[in-house]
Amino acid sequence: AIWMTQSPSLLSASTGDRVTISCRMSQGISSYLAWYQQKPGKAPELLIYAASTLQSGVPSRFSGSGSGTDFTLTISCLQSEDFATYYCQQYYSFPYTFGQGTKLEIK
Amino acid sequence: QLQLQESGPGLVKPSETLSLTCTVSGGSISSSSYYWGWIRQPPGKGLEWIGSIYYSGSTYYNPSLKSRVTISVDTSKNQFSLKLSSVTAADTAVYYCARHITGTRYFDLWGRGTLVTVSS
Repeated sequence: AIWMTQSPSLLSASTGDRVTISCRMSQGISSYLAWYQQKPGKAPELLIYAASTLQSGVPSRFSGSGSGTDFTLTISCLQSEDFATYYCQQYYSFPYTFGQGTKLEIK
Repeated sequence: QLQLQESGPGLVKPSETLSLTCTVSGGSISSSSYYWGWIRQPPGKGLEWIGSIYYSGSTYYNPSLKSRVTISVDTSKNQFSLKLSSVTAADTAVYYCARHITGTRYFDLWGRGTLVTVSS
C-alpha cells in the first residue's frame, strides 16, 4: 500500500490569507491525486482531481499542483466558508487511500 | 440531480453483521459510467475506502477488510448494499456511500453519511 503524509495537520489562518497544504506519497503516483473539503457533520466534497483539475462549481481560488510524490493544495484568498478539513486521496494504486487530513481553522 | 442516501441500523452489537443500503435517486445505478462505493470515517478520524461495485455486480474491496465485507447491487431497486461481519467497536464510524466515474477512483458524489455504533 502507498503511504501518504499530509501536512500540516492543523493550520491557523485569517480570511484573505493564502495557504498551502502538502501531501507526500511513499512512491510515485503520477497525477492520480484528488483533494476533498469536509465541513463538520457533512460528507466530503470533491475539489480537485488529477492533481490539478478543478471540479465543476469549485471556486477558482482553489488550485492543485504536483506530480509523482509531492502535491500541494493552495487556497489563494481564504473566505470564511473555506475553514474546514481537507483530505488528499491517491487513486493510482489499490487500495485507494486518503491522507490524515488538515484542519484549517480561523486564527 | 442524482442523490445518494444511506439507510440502516444505527446500533449493532459486537460480533454481529452491520448492514447498510444506499439508494440512488434522480438517476440510474445501471449507468456504465459509474462505480458505486462505500467509505467510512471513525469519529474524529480520517477516511477509509471499504470497497466498490459496478452495476453488473463486479466488486473490489480494501484488502484490510476483504474477509469481512460483502457489497451487492440491486438494480431493480436502484440500490447497493454493504455487509460487514463480525463487527467490533473499531467499526464504529460514519459510513458514506459515494460514486466514482468508471476508469477513475476519486469520488465525485457522496451521500450524507450514517453513523453506525457498535456496542452491546
